[in-house]
Amino acid sequence: KQEVTQIPAALSVPEGENLVLNCSFTDSAIYNLQWFRQDPGKGLTSLLLIQSSQREQTSGRLNASLDKSSGRSTLYIAASQPGDSATYLCAVTSGNTPLVFGKGTRLSVIA
Amino acid sequence: DTAVSQTPKYLVTQMGNDKSIKCEQNLGHDTMYWYKQDSKKFLKIMFSYNNKELIINETVPNRFSPKSPDKAHLNLHINSLELGDSAVYFCASSQAFRVQSKKTQYFGPGTRLLVL
Repeated sequence: KQEVTQIPAALSVPEGENLVLNCSFTDSAIYNLQWFRQDPGKGLTSLLLIQSSQREQTSGRLNASLDKSSGRSTLYIAASQPGDSATYLCAVTSGNTPLVFGKGTRLSVIA
Repeated sequence: DTAVSQTPKYLVTQMGNDKSIKCEQNLGHDTMYWYKQDSKKFLKIMFSYNNKELIINETVPNRFSPKSPDKAHLNLHINSLELGDSAVYFCASSQAFRVQSKKTQYFGPGTRLLVL
């Protein structure tokens, strides 16, 4: 059964810092991996989707990498801003289950 | 324009009641989902419907009954509500069901259910 773990559970950084969020999954036979952002009281917004054949995806200040064989992904956020404060969720698709989520990393960027 | 909408946004009710949560998507997607996010913020899939047909039911109690009147709607009816049903329920949709799909899921804003 696929399990997704995210470390750290919470992170607080000063504005302008570069940071890395980690995600690991137990079954490396995934089809894709997604990073989502969840703001308090709101739904999830998809940030990046990496297919199993890809190594990374970039969108603006965000870069997500995937090492399928080791069951790991990282989300790199460059030059963090207070508006980046949110919970970041990692989710993988494998087997017949569309998305299996981690518990998220709660990020606070302090001005 | 809201892509995936849910009503109500908040729902407070007594144990034992029956309640429904509605979801609508205007993206023309074939597949819709219901997820539950518990108090520990753990998000888990409950159901998935493709073209109005149930394709995933992740061992959810049969007190939960999804209903899909058409491809754009997937409503969640809950009978005999229990304290443990308190959670945030998210609806989502995607263009295709195939898990290998490159298509992402679009999520609604969530419905916060509190059972007293």
